[in-house]
Amino acid sequence: QQQVKQSPQSLIVQKGGIPIINCAYENTAFDYFPWYQQFPGKGPALLIAIRPDVSEKKEGRFTISFNKSAKQFSLHIMDSQPGDSATYFCAARTASKLTFGTGTRLQVTL
Amino acid sequence: GAGVSQSPSNKVTEKGKDVELRCDPISGHTALYWYRQSLGQGLEFLIYFQGNSAPDKSGLPSDRFSAERTGGSVSTLTIQRTQQEDSAVYLCASSFLSGGGHTDTQYFGPGTRLTVL
Repeated sequence: QQQVKQSPQSLIVQKGGIPIINCAYENTAFDYFPWYQQFPGKGPALLIAIRPDVSEKKEGRFTISFNKSAKQFSLHIMDSQPGDSATYFCAARTASKLTFGTGTRLQVTL
Repeated sequence: GAGVSQSPSNKVTEKGKDVELRCDPISGHTALYWYRQSLGQGLEFLIYFQGNSAPDKSGLPSDRFSAERTGGSVSTLTIQRTQQEDSAVYLCASSFLSGGGHTDTQYFGPGTRLTVL
């Protein structure tokens, strides 16, 4: 019940494309859903986050879509750039603990 | 200001040896977390410290793993009698937990890459 399932495992898009990363969960006690971006050799960094009472949140080129009834949420990256190439992790929080998805390795090509 | 720092950045050890990994959280952060990241895997929760409360050790994979946090600041993760399957990147994070815990953004350090030969 604590698991967060993330897909796809890897993704290649051309510059300007819109990669979409999906996550699903079972535990209805999760109350906060952040996305983290990780570059090689670095720790993950918070990218954007959403609470379950909101269906969509945008910050710059990054958008989270949240479907509470389906227990799914996704990250969209608009006008993707080569600098967005990184590993992205979704996460879900309960009782101040984060459960992470397995990550999506995104490559944005020229 | 300074972020979360971890040392060493890399550690190579022989099977059976003990290792200590250090984390310096962001000053003033009340919560500290340890995670393990294996190749191609997500982050696996290990242990969580919050203020003076008893730590949540529910993620520690075996009794060879232990952690302490001295003076509410620096933390040390100790792995005794290391095994090859302990090879991973060990990440530390800290956060400031407000009363409602509304955001509790976790700030991660760069990690310690542990290789057990």
